Amino acid sequence: EDQVTQSPEALRLQEGESSSLNCSYTVSGLRGLFWYRQDPGKGPEFLFTLYSAGEEKEKERLKATLTKKESFLHITAPKPEDSATYLCAVQAGNYGQNFVFGPGTRLSVLP
Amino acid sequence: NAGVTQTPKFRILKIGQSMTLQCTQDMNHNYMYWYRQDPGMGLKLIYYSVGAGITDKGEVPNGYNVSRSTTEDFPLRLELAAPSQTSVYFCASSYRGAGAGNQPQHFGDGTRLSIL
Repeated sequence: EDQVTQSPEALRLQEGESSSLNCSYTVSGLRGLFWYRQDPGKGPEFLFTLYSAGEEKEKERLKATLTKKESFLHITAPKPEDSATYLCAVQAGNYGQNFVFGPGTRLSVLP
Repeated sequence: NAGVTQTPKFRILKIGQSMTLQCTQDMNHNYMYWYRQDPGMGLKLIYYSVGAGITDKGEVPNGYNVSRSTTEDFPLRLELAAPSQTSVYFCASSYRGAGAGNQPQHFGDGTRLSIL
C-alpha cells in the first residue's frame, strides 16, 4: 500500500532560523512527488514537483530535494509569512489518478 | 482569473439530508478531483474525472456521487448525509494527469461541511 508520512508534525522556528521538513514515502513506481503550501482556511497551493532521485528545485527561501525514499523541504532564513502547513504528495504508477497525500507539517515562524 | 471556485464555503446538514457541493474551474483543465481533508490526516481522493462524461472512483467513494457534464463543472453529491462525512471538501483540477508530465493540481478553497 502506498504511504506518505511527514515529520515533524509541527515546527516552531524563530525568524531567520533555517530548518528542514521531511516527507517519507513508500510507493510502487513513483511518477512524481509534489510539495504544497496550505494556509488556514485555504486550499493547497502548488510549490514544487520532483520526478527522480537527486533532483532539486528552489523557490525563494525554499528548496526541495528528493531521494529514493524521502524528500526534504529546506527553509532558509524563514520569515513569519512562511508560516503555513506544508503538504507532501506522491503520484504512484499503480493506477489512475491517485495522489497520496501526507498529513502535513504545521510550520510557525515567530518574529 | 478565478481558478477553481467552490460553493458553498460552509454548510451544516442534518443526518439523512442531501446536498450538492459545487465546483467550477475556468482554466480549461481536463482533469478534476474531489478530496476530503480530516484533521491530522492527508487529503483522501473521493472521485475524479478525466474529461466530460468520464468519472471514476478514488480511495473513499462510498456515500458520494459525481457527474461531469461539462469541462468546467464537477459537482459532488451527498445523498444521505452521515456524521462520518463531516469534513472539509476540496475540489482540484489539472491540465493533464498521470503519465503526461505530472501536472500539479490547482485547488479551490474548500467547503466546510458539518453533519449533525
